[in-house]
Amino acid sequence: DVKVTQSSRYLVKRTGEKVFLECVQDMDHENMFWYRQDPGLGLRLIYFSYDVKMKEKGDIPEGYSVSREKKERFSLILESASTNQTSMYLCASSLWIDRVILTGELFFGEGSRLTVL
Amino acid sequence: RKEVEQDPGPFNVPEGATVAFNCTYSNSASQSFFWYRQDCRKEPKLLMSVYSSGNEDGRFTAQLNRASQYISLLIRDSKLSDSATYLCVVRVAGRRALTFGSGTRLQVQP
Repeated sequence: DVKVTQSSRYLVKRTGEKVFLECVQDMDHENMFWYRQDPGLGLRLIYFSYDVKMKEKGDIPEGYSVSREKKERFSLILESASTNQTSMYLCASSLWIDRVILTGELFFGEGSRLTVL
Repeated sequence: RKEVEQDPGPFNVPEGATVAFNCTYSNSASQSFFWYRQDCRKEPKLLMSVYSSGNEDGRFTAQLNRASQYISLLIRDSKLSDSATYLCVVRVAGRRALTFGSGTRLQVQP
């Protein structure tokens, strides 16, 4: 079974703190994604990566950065957390993009619920 | 306007009922369509793909209407275990990532 593991299920941070959210997948997937999920807004794509050291902005990249130094690990960084970044953050991975096109199969982690005070 | 729109619900139905959800998408370049299921406090998981000819998987039937740009999911003989949020998902041509709707919540009651 594919396993996507997010380092923290729950975090509470203060405004202005730097926050790292870590995600590791064990299936040698090329693609990794960070989404945030908010009530009424659904899942919105922050960033994704299709290879080591490669990244592309999603729909809402402002206030976030990412790092992919190794294939299995994709980190989301909030340089200076703000209260409007309080959300559920979901990491996902998938095989090569053609498979996603055909099957729509993304594998999600359990999520990290971040509260910024 | 959101690219993928869903009625948030909740849809409250008795066990054994048939329930249908619709989803509309705004980008005519959308190529691939899927339904995901998300249980309360859990991660989303792929339920089924949606093909142009319509497709069935047990009690679940998905249909696509490209002319009207909507997708539907029909659940027959609802079970308590079907209670979840159903996410409509679209892949737009030229984009690597999938676009998710905000979901429709279903509550099946005994």
